[in-house]
Amino acid sequence: EAQVTQNPRYLITVTGKKLTVTCSQNMNHEYMSWYRQDPGLGLRQIYYSMNVEVTDKGDVPEGYKVSRKEKRNFPLILESPSPNQTSLYFCASIPSNPSVPDTQYFGPGTRLTVL
Amino acid sequence: QKEVEQDPGPLSVPEGAIVSLNCTYSNSAFQYFMWYRQYSRKGPELLMYTYSSGNKEDGRFTAQVDKSSKYISLFIRDSQPSDSATYLCAMSAWRYGGATNKLIFGTGTLLAVQP
Repeated sequence: EAQVTQNPRYLITVTGKKLTVTCSQNMNHEYMSWYRQDPGLGLRQIYYSMNVEVTDKGDVPEGYKVSRKEKRNFPLILESPSPNQTSLYFCASIPSNPSVPDTQYFGPGTRLTVL
Repeated sequence: QKEVEQDPGPLSVPEGAIVSLNCTYSNSAFQYFMWYRQYSRKGPELLMYTYSSGNKEDGRFTAQVDKSSKYISLFIRDSQPSDSATYLCAMSAWRYGGATNKLIFGTGTLLAVQP
């Protein structure tokens, strides 16, 4: 089954404790992206990657890091989480030649709470 | 002013009603307009997309774009309880392979269809 998976789905942590949210897609997509979703603010792009070893900042990159060492994986790293990073996070991927422009396949989401 | 404005609702309608969901935007460079549906505790999934102005119909769903007014709509006919979800509009200026794949999302409208 074609899908985007994220782990963990739920995470409660404390300020300053490094964490990684994994994202993996099995569709051989080149483009992947991370979003956070907050009430009243909608989905905002954190980072995106056009291909392996190619990443760039989105609208809200502060406090986050990413890496793209393999095509299928795009982990999101919070080196020193803070309470304002409490949010719902989505990973997304896009095929190289989508039949529909900007079709993004979203993962199931990771709900992160930073105390 | 946000680039994309969407009434957050919630919107509650009886089963069988016609639902109208709307977004306005300010960036005249937007050319691709999409509607995503997001069920509770799930990632968004693409429902419909439209390029430039005009209408597009898919079953009970109709998407309309009026670029002159910078206004897009999604109509749902004969609404069903299974349509209960958050509906997000999204827009982009460039096709995949252009300068950016960034989608700008509205904040989402929560729809509840009562049986």
